[in-house]
Amino acid sequence: EDQVTQSPEALRLQEGESSSLNCSYTVSGLRGLFWYRQDPGKGPEFLFTLYSAGEEKEKERLKATLTKKESFLHITAPKPEDSATYLCAVPSNDYKLSFGAGTTVTVRA
Amino acid sequence: KAGVTQTPRYLIKTRGQQVTLSCSPISGHRSVSWYQQTPGQGLQFLFEYFSETQRNKGNFPGRFSGRQFSNSRSEMNVSTLELGDSALYLCASSPTGLSPEAFFGQGTRLTVV
Repeated sequence: EDQVTQSPEALRLQEGESSSLNCSYTVSGLRGLFWYRQDPGKGPEFLFTLYSAGEEKEKERLKATLTKKESFLHITAPKPEDSATYLCAVPSNDYKLSFGAGTTVTVRA
Repeated sequence: KAGVTQTPRYLIKTRGQQVTLSCSPISGHRSVSWYQQTPGQGLQFLFEYFSETQRNKGNFPGRFSGRQFSNSRSEMNVSTLELGDSALYLCASSPTGLSPEAFFGQGTRLTVV
């Protein structure tokens, strides 16, 4: 069964203090790796899809990268509005997503 | 383009009751998936429907069931509610279920008392 592990569980950053979140995975065959952002009380919002090792995607202050065993979400010069829980997930070949537990990021002004 | 709509947003039920949650996917999307999110277990897959057929079911008891209608709208039902069923229930839609992105609704917050 696919397994996804995220670290750290929580991250407290000062505004402007860059950092990275980790997502390691064990899958029988990678069909992509997804990153989502979730705000309290809301559904996850899709951010990125990565398909192959070495691939990178960027959106504003976020950059996602992928290796053969893990993915990183880099947050550059974060702002308070970047505070959220960031989830990574891998899809299976039977139409389900396996999610990590998430990293809750808090950015203080 | 309207997003995924889930109703109701909040629900309080008593143990032993049953509940039905509704999900309207993005127009043109034929795959609807349901997930349960709790603080302890995170996001857990419940089931996925495509063109009114259930293609996969997660490891949940038979009290959890669902269906999909010809217009792709989906419902999930939980019978004989237990306190542990309190959770945020999320619905996600995608064109075929094999698409890279799944778009989630805001969820239904179910509280069982």
